[in-house]
Order: sequence, then C-alpha cells, then structure tokens
Amino acid sequence: DTAVSQTPKYLVTQMGNDKSIKCEQNLGHDTMYWYKQDSKKFLKIMFSYNNKELIINETVPNRFSPKSPDKAHLNLHINSLELGDSAVYFCASSQSTGVTGYTFGSGTRLTVV
Amino acid sequence: DAKTTQPTSMDCAEGRAANLPCNHSTISGNEYVYWYRQIHSQGPQYIIHGLKNNETNEMASLIITEDRKSSTLILPHATLRDTAVYYCIVRGRNAGNMLTFGGGTRLMVKP
Repeated sequence: DTAVSQTPKYLVTQMGNDKSIKCEQNLGHDTMYWYKQDSKKFLKIMFSYNNKELIINETVPNRFSPKSPDKAHLNLHINSLELGDSAVYFCASSQSTGVTGYTFGSGTRLTVV
Repeated sequence: DAKTTQPTSMDCAEGRAANLPCNHSTISGNEYVYWYRQIHSQGPQYIIHGLKNNETNEMASLIITEDRKSSTLILPHATLRDTAVYYCIVRGRNAGNMLTFGGGTRLMVKP
C-alpha cells in the first residue's frame, strides 16, 4: 500500500492552462504539505494544511490554490500555468503531535511548454 | 528553526562506512536533528532523528555531540543504492515548525 500517493506522475501542458495535482495519504496523519523542487534541486515548502485548515502559505503566487476536502487529501490546483511553474511537486504528510518525520510522495513532474 | 551546514558532496567506497557531518551551531534546546535522503527522481525519505542522545535504526546511526552543535549520520556499510542527496534538518516539535531543506550533501558511493 502506497502511504502518500500523487497523481499524475507526469504532466505536460501548455502555458495558460489550468491543471490539478492530487494527493492522498493513508497514514492517518493530520497534516499535509506541498513542496516544489525546481531545476536547481532546492526543495521549498509551498503550503501546509492541518486538519483541512491552511496553516502555512509561503510566498506562492495566488495562481496556486490548495484544497483539502478531508484530512487524507490535499490537492493542488494551478491556474494560468507559466513556464516557471515547471518543476517536480511533492506532497507529504505528518502527524502534528509528536516528532515523527514526514512521509513524501513520489512526486509529480510538471512541464509547461 | 536553526540553520545547518553540510559539505556539498562526498565520496565513499562501497562496503565502507559513510560518515556525513552536519553543523547546527545555533540549535535550541527543543529542536530535533532530522536526516532525510533523496535518491534521484524520488521523494525525500526519512532516515532518522534525534534530540541529544545517539540514535540507531535499521538504516543508519546518528551521533550528536554533547553540545548539540553538530551531528554525524553514519551509514555503516554503504552500498551503491545509498547514492543520494542527504539532508540534515533542524526542526522544533510544534505543528508550525516546517521541515526546511537546505542544499544537502550529495553522497556518491563508488564500487
């Protein structure tokens, strides 16, 4: 069973389109995250949701809108895609209480052409 | 959260121990040291974490100095599959304390 699963794994789309990436975790965690890894390989946090509520929103364009329908899901919707949005996006989850580590998904490689 | 400093890259011979250092001189008393690794094209993988005592699990050992200003991740018998970028991260235990990644150490295990 995959602990944190993301779909799709690859996404190629044209500039200006709107796309969504889905994430689901079956670990019973109460906090989920989206990270972006650009071509320089730096991993940057974008959003954090705890019990379906946004708790962290780093400096991310408002074209990016996360949505958490329940604790097990955190989807990322991106409007008006730009070339600079090309990156690998990782979803992760953790339990807010305690000191357990994060569990990451395998990533979604987004290419905007 | 405190910042960490790691060497950009290291090599290790297959079968030997890989010792990856990390400096975190500004760590505060309630912050933990975490290690993750990212194998090419995969999501980051949790390895180990500790507060002040040395820790060991099936993947690695974590040695934290008494003053907690530095630590070393030890892979006792490195294999080619351990080639990855290793991240040392300091993080508080509150929900608002995010896992913030730096540049990490690119470990190359060579035959």
